[in-house]
Amino acid sequence: DAKTTQPNSMESNEEEPVHLPCNHSTISGTDYIHWYRQLPSQGPEYVIHGLTSNVNNRMASLAIAEDRKSSTLILHRATLRDAAVYYCILRDSWETSGSRLTFGEGTQLTVNP
Amino acid sequence: KAGVTQTPRYLIKTRGQQVTLSCSPISGHRSVSWYQQTPGQGLQFLFEYFSETQRNKGNFPGRFSGRQFSNSRSEMNVSTLELGDSALYLCASSVTSGKIQETQYFGPGTRLLVL
Repeated sequence: DAKTTQPNSMESNEEEPVHLPCNHSTISGTDYIHWYRQLPSQGPEYVIHGLTSNVNNRMASLAIAEDRKSSTLILHRATLRDAAVYYCILRDSWETSGSRLTFGEGTQLTVNP
Repeated sequence: KAGVTQTPRYLIKTRGQQVTLSCSPISGHRSVSWYQQTPGQGLQFLFEYFSETQRNKGNFPGRFSGRQFSNSRSEMNVSTLELGDSALYLCASSVTSGKIQETQYFGPGTRLLVL
């Protein structure tokens, strides 16, 4: 799997937007970009995924650079509940990887009241 | 729908013992994957089961094994426990539509402490 690089930690204030960056310079043309997060004392949970175009869902937005070498997860209004470790994960073909997720170290997001 | 459930939630064992952890996937999900999470190594993939067959395996010694039953429930077993096996063991399930976009749903994990 291609490698991703994320900052170890980021801090935000409640009700402000948060932009979590991820670099993936070796991404291949068919790799999907997935984001998961892990709240304290819980298993990871899916946030969003995309291939080329920007994506929005009820949790967040994903902005993908035109060359796909980086992406940004955007939380539009951070809440205390968004404090978690955020993982940016690249997934290649299902035939080779199946359901496997390769987690990096992720970004620890702290949200201040 | 009920989420992924894992039992037990907490477990204490001693070195040399063996342990069996259980995972019940979301109803209708046919794939179950297991992960180990430690402070030093982070989240690491152990193996994946689909239709009672191991489909994918991570880089762990043979002491770690698993199986899947016809109802998709899965168990993982660790034999001859070592101190380094202390970790949070997470189970994830998915529908397995054969698409890489497929979402993995994680359980709360089983925290194993080896003394």
